[in-house]
Amino acid sequence: EAQVTQNPRYLITVTGKKLTVTCSQNMNHEYMSWYRQDPGLGLRQIYYSMNVEVTDKGDVPEGYKVSRKEKRNFPLILESPSPNQTSLYFCASSPQGVQPQHFGDGTRLSIL
Amino acid sequence: GQNIDQPTEMTATEGAIVQINCTYQTSGFNGLFWYQQHAGEAPTFLSYNVLDGLEEKGRFSSFLSRSKGYSYLLLKELQMKDSASYLCAVKNNQAGTALIFGKGTTLSVSS
Repeated sequence: EAQVTQNPRYLITVTGKKLTVTCSQNMNHEYMSWYRQDPGLGLRQIYYSMNVEVTDKGDVPEGYKVSRKEKRNFPLILESPSPNQTSLYFCASSPQGVQPQHFGDGTRLSIL
Repeated sequence: GQNIDQPTEMTATEGAIVQINCTYQTSGFNGLFWYQQHAGEAPTFLSYNVLDGLEEKGRFSSFLSRSKGYSYLLLKELQMKDSASYLCAVKNNQAGTALIFGKGTTLSVSS
């Protein structure tokens, strides 16, 4: 089954404790992206990757890092999480950037 | 700047037709997407328009006018399960940039 898998689905943690949210897709898509979704603000792009070893900033990259060492994986790293990063995060992929994106089920992060 | 506007909320009744509008101002244009998102779930793709005109897909249709920076999503024969948020997203023509999303329109369908 074609899918985008995120882990964990839910996480409550504390300020400053590094965390990684994993994202994996099994569709051999070149393009992957991370979004955060907040009430009243909609979906905002954090980082995206056009292909392996090619990443770039989206609209709200501050406080986040990503890597793309393999085509299927695109982890989101919060080196020192802060409460303003409490949000619902979605990973998405598509064959190429202009095509419809498949979204993962989301990760709800709470930073205390 | 880049801006996408859509109504925050809409209500309708089962069996009716509803039109959700989206206006956009972006640096270049390379396609417009509509996504559906049920509460607590991931967005799912509904439609894609890159040329002017109407694209029909079952009960859902999407229209685009590039000269007016305008699109709408038309939902016919509304069902309770159509209660969801509908997200308009624009792809600009900057290489590598992903979608710019509007804030979404929450549609409530009542019986």
